[in-house]
Formats: sequence, C-alpha cells, structure tokens
Amino acid sequence: ELKVEQNPLFLSMQEGKNYTIYCNYSTTSDRLYWYRQDPGKSLESLFVLLSNGAVKQEGRLMASLDTKARLSTLHITAAVHDLSATYFCAVGQQTGANNLFFGTGTRLTVIP
Amino acid sequence: DAGVTQSPTHLIKTRGQQVTLRCSPKSGHDTVSWYQQALGQGPQFIFQYYEEEERQRGNFPDRFSGHQFPNYSSELNVNALLLGDSALYLCASSRDQSGTGRGYGYTFGSGTRLTVV
Repeated sequence: ELKVEQNPLFLSMQEGKNYTIYCNYSTTSDRLYWYRQDPGKSLESLFVLLSNGAVKQEGRLMASLDTKARLSTLHITAAVHDLSATYFCAVGQQTGANNLFFGTGTRLTVIP
Repeated sequence: DAGVTQSPTHLIKTRGQQVTLRCSPKSGHDTVSWYQQALGQGPQFIFQYYEEEERQRGNFPDRFSGHQFPNYSSELNVNALLLGDSALYLCASSRDQSGTGRGYGYTFGSGTRLTVV
C-alpha cells in the first residue's frame, strides 16, 4: 500500500516568515494533490501536480513535485495569519486504483 | 454550479445502530468516492462507485457498504456502529476519463460528522 509521510506534523511560525512542508511517498505516482482544511471543515483543493518538475504557485503558496525523489514540497512565503490551517498532501497510485492516499497533515499556526 | 452536497451535516447514533449518509456529486461528475477522517488524521479511502458499481475498496470491514444511483448520487451505509466509527465522512466526486478508471479533479463535500455514543 502506498504510504505518504508529511513533516512537520505541527508548525508554528511568525507572520512574515518563510517555511516549507515536505511530503514523501513510497511508490511511483502520476499525481499529487495539496489540500487545505480549516477546523471542522472540508478539504479545499490547492494544487494538482501531474508531472516531474511541476511547480504551481497561488499567492503565498508554491508547490513542487519531484517524482524521482518521490517528494513534494509546499513552500509558504511571508506567512500571514489567514494561512493558519491543516495542510494535507494526497497521492494517487500510478496504475490501477483511482483512490487517494493522504498524509497525516501539517497543522500550521501563524502567529501575529 | 453546485458542488458536492452531503447530508446530513451532523449525526449522533448509538452503538449497534445503522446509519446512512448521502452524497450528490458535482454536476458533470460520474464517480463518487467516500473517505473517513478520524479526528487529527488524514482521510482514509473507504470505497469508490462508478456506473452504479463498487469499483475499488479500501481496508474497511463489510459493515461499510454503499450504493450509487443512476443520477450518480451515492449512499454510504454503516451497520453495527462502533465507537471507533465516529469521524468526519467525506464524499468526493470526479469525472472518469474515457473509461480509464482515472479522474484527476476531485471535489470534496463538506462532510457528515458522525458521533457514535
């Protein structure tokens, strides 16, 4: 079964600082997703990465994918309080099954 | 354009009871997947329905069953509820790509919070 690991699990950072969340997965995949979840809410899609070297940016968030290293990163630039949430990466298997395997999430708290 | 609609939003059940959760997919989507998210955890795949059949299943017991209707909506049924079934149940819809069994754009519903007491 595909395993997905995220780190750190908890991240507390000051406003204006930069940081990176890492997502490692155990077998080959052709798609990787990043989601945001606010407390008690559903998953909001942030990025879909479909190829090696893919980089996508939206506002203060930038995601990248290295399929050879089986690694994706979510980089936060100049954090603001509104970014406080839990961030999940999710990976789909390259063949066969169509479901997603999620990491355990990174709970981000941005401190004013 | 309505997204994924789930009902009910919250539910409290007693151990041993049965529960049915409902999901209407996003317009244009034909595949429905169900996920269970325990508190503080990432979502775990339960099963996926396409063309009214269960196409894939995760590591969940037979107490978890489902159905998909001709209009693509879906139900998740859980029998003999256990305290450990307390979780947020998420429905995700997607569009199958030309019968390949793969869809890249998932839309999640707001979820049903199930509490078993």
